[in-house]
Amino acid sequence: AQTVTQSQPEMSVQEAETVTLSCTYDTSESDYYLFWYKQPPSRQMILVIRQEAYKQQNATENRFSVNFQKAAKSFSLKISDSQLGDAAMYFCATGGSQGNLIFGKGTKLSVKP
Amino acid sequence: GAVVSQHPSRVICKSGTSVKIECRSLDFQATTMFWYRQFPKQSLMLMATSNEGSKATYEQGVEKDKFLINHASLTLSTLTVTSAHPEDSSFYICSASRDGWELFFGEGSRLTVL
Repeated sequence: AQTVTQSQPEMSVQEAETVTLSCTYDTSESDYYLFWYKQPPSRQMILVIRQEAYKQQNATENRFSVNFQKAAKSFSLKISDSQLGDAAMYFCATGGSQGNLIFGKGTKLSVKP
Repeated sequence: GAVVSQHPSRVICKSGTSVKIECRSLDFQATTMFWYRQFPKQSLMLMATSNEGSKATYEQGVEKDKFLINHASLTLSTLTVTSAHPEDSSFYICSASRDGWELFFGEGSRLTVL
């Protein structure tokens, strides 16, 4: 079975500052991916960043980067230079070889001007 | 980029009726699609995996006779909520897989059962 835990229901960050969202997971899959998705009020799921578990190098995507600690089963998201448009629900997810995803409960991020 | 479209985006129905939600991949063929359910202020829960040309695989606790899934072509999967009741009111989201790990989400469909 796969589980994803996001221990921060809500987070707040000042505009232009950096914030880190936490995520831990558990999976029995040997080949899996980890994801961070953003869900704004429109409810459209937007992929923020993706990490292949077999890769040791942390994924980065512009202002977004992850800290992937495979042994600890930790996958945190760092948002640098936060912008007002970053405010949204953020979901951490993991998926096995079929592509079906298991999501965490989400972290609501607020960005203060 | 690839687009996945859901229709309708909002639907209101009476208790006891059936509702069909469509999920289409507009510019790629999707051998596998996934259906999720999201209650207000909660996470997405995987309901089932829809495979083109074969029966859907349902997650534990999801009633397959209530949530009928059909994946008749490589670009269309449908979710039919049969004999809907107020507790079925939710936000339903589909995703489509291209080349395994490239996943694209639809815009979601909000179902309200009166």
